[in-house]
Amino acid sequence: QVQLVESGGGVVQPGRSLRVSCAASGFTFSSHAMHWVRQAPGKGLEWVAVISSDGSDKFYANSVKGRFTVSRDNSKNTLYLQMSSLTHEDTAVYFCARQGPYKWMLMPFLDNWGQGDLVTVSS
Amino acid sequence: QSAPTQAASVSGSPGQSITISCTGINTDVGNYGYVSWYQQNPGKAPKLLIYDFINRPSGVSDRFSGSKSEKTASLTISGLQFEDEAHYYCCSYTGNSVVFGGGTKLTVL
Repeated sequence: QVQLVESGGGVVQPGRSLRVSCAASGFTFSSHAMHWVRQAPGKGLEWVAVISSDGSDKFYANSVKGRFTVSRDNSKNTLYLQMSSLTHEDTAVYFCARQGPYKWMLMPFLDNWGQGDLVTVSS
Repeated sequence: QSAPTQAASVSGSPGQSITISCTGINTDVGNYGYVSWYQQNPGKAPKLLIYDFINRPSGVSDRFSGSKSEKTASLTISGLQFEDEAHYYCCSYTGNSVVFGGGTKLTVL
């Protein structure tokens, strides 16, 4: 079955960087675009970024553009989110999610989700 | 990247039907919008309920249905059950990004 497992979260100081990862299994990782979605404590879902199946195309939310970078290693079945210049507003649970088949990656069809990983930006 | 609008909360009794709306969908791109719906229970990952406005993935109860009217997408839950109490989010695209609605808290009284 499809499994997505996030890791790398934790407490980080404002202005610093952090990379979270998402290990995928149970499906052909290289055939699917992948999304990052975050949720601040007590708040709703916020889309962060998407990367195409081969890594050649990437799109970002305005709130993270220029600070966050999404990437993937299809040989390792792993998705990454490199976050820099972190602020308190980036404190959230970060979910990775698989884009379902046969849909362009910006037509959101997030058919499988990880359990999320908490990133806390605090001094 | 303006987000679609959802009511903050809705409530219903077991057995009733309720509808959650998602307004302000961007239909400017190719005269076509796109919406999916997600259910989220506290402390859990979201779950896909509806995609392409009206399609249900396998395994999702047929009590959940989606519809579209111009710039509004709707999620209807029929035969309401206590287990349906959760947050519901619509999700759409803007042409160069994806946006979630603010979410609707469903309370089953």
